[in-house]
Amino acid sequence: DGGITQSPKYLFRKEGQNVTLSCEQNLNHDAMYWYRQDPGQGLRLIYYSQIVNDFQKGDIAEGYSVSREKKESFPLTVTSAQKNPTAFYLCASSPGQGIFGNQPQHFGDGTRLSIL
Amino acid sequence: DQQVKQNSPSLSVQEGRISILNCDYTNSMFDYFLWYKKYPAEGPTFLISISSIKDKNEDGRFTVFLNKSAKHLSLHIVPSQPGDSAVYFCAASQQSNTGKLIFGQGTTLQVKP
Repeated sequence: DGGITQSPKYLFRKEGQNVTLSCEQNLNHDAMYWYRQDPGQGLRLIYYSQIVNDFQKGDIAEGYSVSREKKESFPLTVTSAQKNPTAFYLCASSPGQGIFGNQPQHFGDGTRLSIL
Repeated sequence: DQQVKQNSPSLSVQEGRISILNCDYTNSMFDYFLWYKKYPAEGPTFLISISSIKDKNEDGRFTVFLNKSAKHLSLHIVPSQPGDSAVYFCAASQQSNTGKLIFGQGTTLQVKP
């Protein structure tokens, strides 16, 4: 079955540590996204990538970094510079734009990150 | 600046009745709108979308209406079922701003048996 896999489901971090959240998709989608959800708020875009080896900052990129070395993978690193990292992190993918027109994004089941 | 707003944090409806969830936006350049459904500790699931060239799109029990002049869209669920109880997010995008979705804050729908 095609889909998006995020791991781990729960992650704990000590203050001052960097942690990396995994996101893998086998949908052959070009575009991938990282969102953060806080209680009572909508999803906010952290980073996105429209093609391999290219990515752009979203609305709240400070304290985060990403890489896109393979089409299937878009890992997110939460660095120690992110002062409020406790949140629910969601990865998404879509076929892309251009000749495909607007396409809905498909989401993984998320990773909940907590600070110890 | 909240470009997409869902002003009702919660909605409670009796099973079998209609659920109407509302969403307002401020950016007139948005040309594609989506509704997602989300259960706790899961990712959002795509429900239905509408392009700005239409004013209505229907898929089974779900219908989305778009009023461009009012910058307003709504999701109608008829008839509502207890399994519809979830958080519903509306989202908007601008085709020239490739792939970026702007989400509302979400509305929690409770369908009572």
